[in-house]
Amino acid sequence: DAGVTQSPTHLIKTRGQQVTLRCSPKSGHDTVSWYQQALGQGPQFIFQYYEEEERQRGNFPDRFSGHQFPNYSSELNVNALLLGDSALYLCASSLKPSAGELFFGEGSRLTVL
Amino acid sequence: AQSVTQPDIHITVSEGASLELRCNYSYGATPYLFWYVQSPGQGLQLLLKYFSGDTLVQGIKGFEAEFKRSQSSFNLRKPSVHWSDAAEYFCAVGPINSGGYQKVTFGTGTKLQVIP
Repeated sequence: DAGVTQSPTHLIKTRGQQVTLRCSPKSGHDTVSWYQQALGQGPQFIFQYYEEEERQRGNFPDRFSGHQFPNYSSELNVNALLLGDSALYLCASSLKPSAGELFFGEGSRLTVL
Repeated sequence: AQSVTQPDIHITVSEGASLELRCNYSYGATPYLFWYVQSPGQGLQLLLKYFSGDTLVQGIKGFEAEFKRSQSSFNLRKPSVHWSDAAEYFCAVGPINSGGYQKVTFGTGTKLQVIP
């Protein structure tokens, strides 16, 4: 049973560029949440997707956007990258939006130069 | 708004010693509470969770946590620490809103070092 998978694992971008991160949820899960974890910090909630719609959003600017596909996989897009966007981006899936337990992938490490 | 405070950034314990990691939360009603562990280069793994009922909950790897409503705390404990427990530990609160959607908020984490 595959867990949550994320790609790419590492990437380097320059300021002003755009990035797309991908996530496949654990088998049987239909809800995907994205988190940003800066170095030495706890994960910060970006947004949650269920039934292909954004259901909740954290305190992140509109440069952060996402998508969920019919197979429940998800993408996180960040436009106009800033140095401060450098972080580990974590995808978490759950059985349903109120399931309680989140299952995390190992993350995508983004470095913005 | 919900929030979580983990007052200890770093904790060092000797192998075999007991461990207690502190967590305080802020939320108006009874929250859903979690402890996650993150090893270097890996994602987060759930250790245990509290939704309701018995305030002492057992988790994986010999960990337990106690919910104390009067103190708004959910401290994590382990009676005897193993070297493999060295990792970063995150407390989290995750209430479900009126629309049925859950948002999980994490603390800043406590890094555990285990010495021989």
